Amino acid sequence: GAVVSQHPSWVICKSGTSVKIECRSLDFQATTMFWYRQFPKQSLMLMATSNEGSKATYEQGVEKDKFLINHASLTLSTLTVTSAHPEDSSFYICSAKVGGFYNEQFFGPGTRLTVL
Amino acid sequence: QKEVEQNSGPLSVPEGAIASLNCTYSDRGSQSFFWYRQYSGKSPELIMSIYSNGDKEDGRFTAQLNKASQYVSLLIRDSQPSDSATYLCAVDGNTGKLIFGQGTTLQVKP
Repeated sequence: GAVVSQHPSWVICKSGTSVKIECRSLDFQATTMFWYRQFPKQSLMLMATSNEGSKATYEQGVEKDKFLINHASLTLSTLTVTSAHPEDSSFYICSAKVGGFYNEQFFGPGTRLTVL
Repeated sequence: QKEVEQNSGPLSVPEGAIASLNCTYSDRGSQSFFWYRQYSGKSPELIMSIYSNGDKEDGRFTAQLNKASQYVSLLIRDSQPSDSATYLCAVDGNTGKLIFGQGTTLQVKP
């Protein structure tokens, strides 16, 4: 399957700081990437859809000014959590959609964010 | 509201048995169906994709799709303890986004 990487794999930061998470498709070009958040023992929650060269589309209830998404190239999307607070602590996972009719999505390994 | 329903489990099977995981979906227009495996603390891994009615086999895994009944299942033959994980059913809602079920936790006991 297609390979998606994320960096960093884990981050600990102080409340009020901003954290940037990178998502890269390593062996294919992804015009569309997705950002999810997952709390312990819960299912994935889609935060936003990131399209190369255009503004991200956010799901209802997700603050676009707090979770900044940039998809500057066909292989890179970034999520910046601005002014992070302890309630933002979670497992953030990106996925990239392989083109074509069937639209398979491959997930990155995830980034575990802890805000102190 | 488009929905994907799974039994949360846990589903417990002995090693070597067949594990059967089920999923129903509400949107009749759905075209693509996926099974992901997620180990605790890890991200989901795509293990099966299915698009046509019938069965699709890949090694020990068989996905079954019945669009008339809006039902998709995953069979795992010769279950191993390493198969113990949460299995997520996902449906392409024709918006480009995947709609996930809550996941079924599978426990394979040695």
